[in-house]
Amino acid sequence: DIVMTQSPDSLAVSLGERATINCKSSQSVLYSPNNKNYLAWYQQKPGQPPRLLIYWASTRESGVPDRFSGSGSGTDFTLTISSLQAEDVAVYSCQQYYRIPYTFGQGTNLEIK
Amino acid sequence: QVQLQQSGPGLVKPSQTLSLTCAISGESVSESNAAWNWIRQSPSRGLEWLGRTYCRTGCTSDYGVSVQGRISIHPDTSKNQFSLQLKSVTPEDTGVYYCARASIMTGQLAFDPWGQGTLVIVSS
Repeated sequence: DIVMTQSPDSLAVSLGERATINCKSSQSVLYSPNNKNYLAWYQQKPGQPPRLLIYWASTRESGVPDRFSGSGSGTDFTLTISSLQAEDVAVYSCQQYYRIPYTFGQGTNLEIK
Repeated sequence: QVQLQQSGPGLVKPSQTLSLTCAISGESVSESNAAWNWIRQSPSRGLEWLGRTYCRTGCTSDYGVSVQGRISIHPDTSKNQFSLQLKSVTPEDTGVYYCARASIMTGQLAFDPWGQGTLVIVSS
């Protein structure tokens, strides 16, 4: 299985400041024939299912604010929130869909400092 | 716009079978572009993909290693839904179960949308 490891486990950031969450995969999730990284990011608030934010490592899902961005390739990826808003308090998880079984990171709990 | 609505019991006794269904609106379960997934979440295991079913020239299912041998996921074209059955459950199977769609045709297999989630507790 491809193991997804996120860092940090929890993060406190002041409103308006940048938040950065990292995700590392145990194997590359870059598919060379199409040069796409099979990596997604989700946001989950209490009592709700995860919400897809980013796919192909850097493509924002429709309706996702542009303060959310994804970057990285191969085995190392980053989710950045450029200016933290109060409604961004949530758990963020990465997920690889390169190979079955699809696997998730353990989640990063983002709070307001 | 695809929407998923889950149903099924929230309490299952140990050794019995957990059964959930996910009703689909806005798309056909036999749509060749889509894969229909079950994912669970627990404090000990986090988010865990359990398996999927998809239909192209017939319907196929794939399963996660941790539940292989106990799980079955099947489409029901007459009701436009798909189901999860997990046999011989133990308290370790307690968690919130979600259904979710993925797009096969483009290879963009991230999960969207998700069902509302069902908390299933395994206890006597």
